[in-house]
Amino acid sequence: RKEVEQDPGPFNVPEGATVAFNCTYSNSASQSFFWYRQDCRKEPKLLMSVYSSGNEDGRFTAQLNRASQYISLLIRDSKLSDSATYLCVVNNGGSQGNLIFGKGTKLSVKP
Amino acid sequence: NAGVTQTPKFQVLKTGQSMTLQCAQDMNHNSMYWYRQDPGMGLRLIYYSASEGTTDKGEVPNGYNVSRLNKREFSLRLESAAPSQTSVYFCASSHRGNTEAFFGQGTRLTVV
Repeated sequence: RKEVEQDPGPFNVPEGATVAFNCTYSNSASQSFFWYRQDCRKEPKLLMSVYSSGNEDGRFTAQLNRASQYISLLIRDSKLSDSATYLCVVNNGGSQGNLIFGKGTKLSVKP
Repeated sequence: NAGVTQTPKFQVLKTGQSMTLQCAQDMNHNSMYWYRQDPGMGLRLIYYSASEGTTDKGEVPNGYNVSRLNKREFSLRLESAAPSQTSVYFCASSHRGNTEAFFGQGTRLTVV
């Protein structure tokens, strides 16, 4: 089993749609979880951290289920500018460890 | 705010040539990383440094060496470049291994 697995995508949705991405991770000792966004030919950028209680940032909501080792990202009211690849990221090894990236899910929002 | 700075941005090497990719961060971060990104493979960790003076192998370390020169700088060296090392290389840094990472703009390397 891969350390971090994501929906294969791509997701093609109309503007205004709600879209959800899922991610599972294999290391039950992982402490930190993030969603990153990567635009074509650019570096990944932090979208949001994921907390156990769930967290929301505007149109974006992230959820964590430690028991199932599952992370999700919900985007409401999709905009054309949301088109990008979304990367699920999980910490491996605590404060002396490193970050493991999923392969990403590509989102295309169409007019 | 410079953040994480990588040089060069683009490079073409011939098979067998060597080169060093430079990375520097100005955020006083303890941890630094080198990733490579290939189509369909996602970001794969080459090496990381949890703190000044330490380095550890990641998922794909073969063919690479690293040096954590000081807290700010973490370089990646290809001793004898191979076509399989054609990729986009990203340097990143974080306060600790379990906090969010910030990335440089990447180096597009082609080995012919």
